[in-house]
Amino acid sequence: DVKVTQSSRYLVKRTGEKVFLECVQDMDHENMFWYRQDPGLGLRLIYFSYDVKMKEKGDIPEGYSVSREKKERFSLILESASTNQTSMYLCASSFPHEQFFGPGTRLTVL
Amino acid sequence: GENVEQHPSTLSVQEGDSAVIKCTYSDSASNYFPWYKQELGKRPQLIIDIRSNVGEKKDQRIAVTLNKTAKHFSLHITETQPEDSAVYFCAAPKTSYDKVIFGPGTSLSVIP
Repeated sequence: DVKVTQSSRYLVKRTGEKVFLECVQDMDHENMFWYRQDPGLGLRLIYFSYDVKMKEKGDIPEGYSVSREKKERFSLILESASTNQTSMYLCASSFPHEQFFGPGTRLTVL
Repeated sequence: GENVEQHPSTLSVQEGDSAVIKCTYSDSASNYFPWYKQELGKRPQLIIDIRSNVGEKKDQRIAVTLNKTAKHFSLHITETQPEDSAVYFCAAPKTSYDKVIFGPGTSLSVIP
């Protein structure tokens, strides 16, 4: 069974704080993704990584950065959190096409 | 770039009835169309997918149909049960490396 885990289920941060969201997968998948999920907007891709140290911007990368130093770990970084980044964040990995999602992190920025 | 629309946004059916969710896509080169189900409080999971070389695929009570000419594909759930209540997302490929773009989702409620 593929297992994708995320570091926190719930997170509350203040405006301007630097926020790290971590994602780990245990199936040696090359592709990893970060999405945010908002009601009525579906799953929107923030960043994508197809290999270690390789990343590609998704549809809404502004205000975010990512890091992939090891194959199993993909981190999402909010350099300076803002209230409009309050959302559910979902990580996923895939091989070859099916995406396996983590449980999500509900981030609230006050 | 690819754009995916999904209708309806909400759907209520009586237990035992059928449910149909329709998606349209814009890129005629798209060749893979998955459907994901997200139950309340849980993560999305793939329930069925179809490739562009077939027109229909069935798996027990769920089926997906694809009309390449019209650039739309649909999810059909027959004999709905309360456990089918969830948000359903369609998706279509976006460029390479297995990226997909998701539709906005359909919230399905099956009324016992």
